[in-house]
Amino acid sequence: DQQVKQNSPSLSVQEGRISILNCDYTNSMFDYFLWYKKYPAEGPTFLISISSIKDKNEDGRFTVFLNKSAKHLSLHIVPSQPGDSAVYFCAASGNNDMRFGAGTRLTVKP
Amino acid sequence: KAGVTQTPRYLIKTRGQQVTLSCSPISGHRSVSWYQQTPGQGLQFLFEYFSETQRNKGNFPGRFSGRQFSNSRSEMNVSTLELGDSALYLCASSPSSGRDYNEQFFGPGTRLTVL
Repeated sequence: DQQVKQNSPSLSVQEGRISILNCDYTNSMFDYFLWYKKYPAEGPTFLISISSIKDKNEDGRFTVFLNKSAKHLSLHIVPSQPGDSAVYFCAASGNNDMRFGAGTRLTVKP
Repeated sequence: KAGVTQTPRYLIKTRGQQVTLSCSPISGHRSVSWYQQTPGQGLQFLFEYFSETQRNKGNFPGRFSGRQFSNSRSEMNVSTLELGDSALYLCASSPSSGRDYNEQFFGPGTRLTVL
């Protein structure tokens, strides 16, 4: 029962362009959403989050958008840099429960 | 402040054996969660402990168990290992319950290989 889904296992973009990573969730109890970034041989690290009372949160090159009616969130990275190449996990939290998606491997080509 | 530590980092076992993994959370963090990461499945939630009590549990068989000690350190045990248990096991700690629960800090993981 995957409550959080990232349907694109991989994404490749050119340096300087926009990267858009998508995530869908099914449980309407989720009220807080996060993106984590993971490099090989390291644990995931927190990147950016958004509460369900907002529809957008921005932090430098990273912006997360939330569409509650569609139960969809996305992460925009502009401009993309080679150092952004990693696996990105979205997570949804609510009622002391947190679920992660399967991850999207982003490759930013120089 | 030291981060989340997990031991051992790598482990090789054979089918039928059991294994115990250890996680030391960030000092002051009372919540510890365990995840299994496999290719294509992402991070699968195993269980979460808060103040020595299991608070949440994912959809894993009873062969997977855990516990938390009074100093918040946690152990995860897998009995009767199967080939499909080969994965990266990640531990995450967070300060407390409620909204602070969202601030999860991950350790580097233990890579378990079952032969």
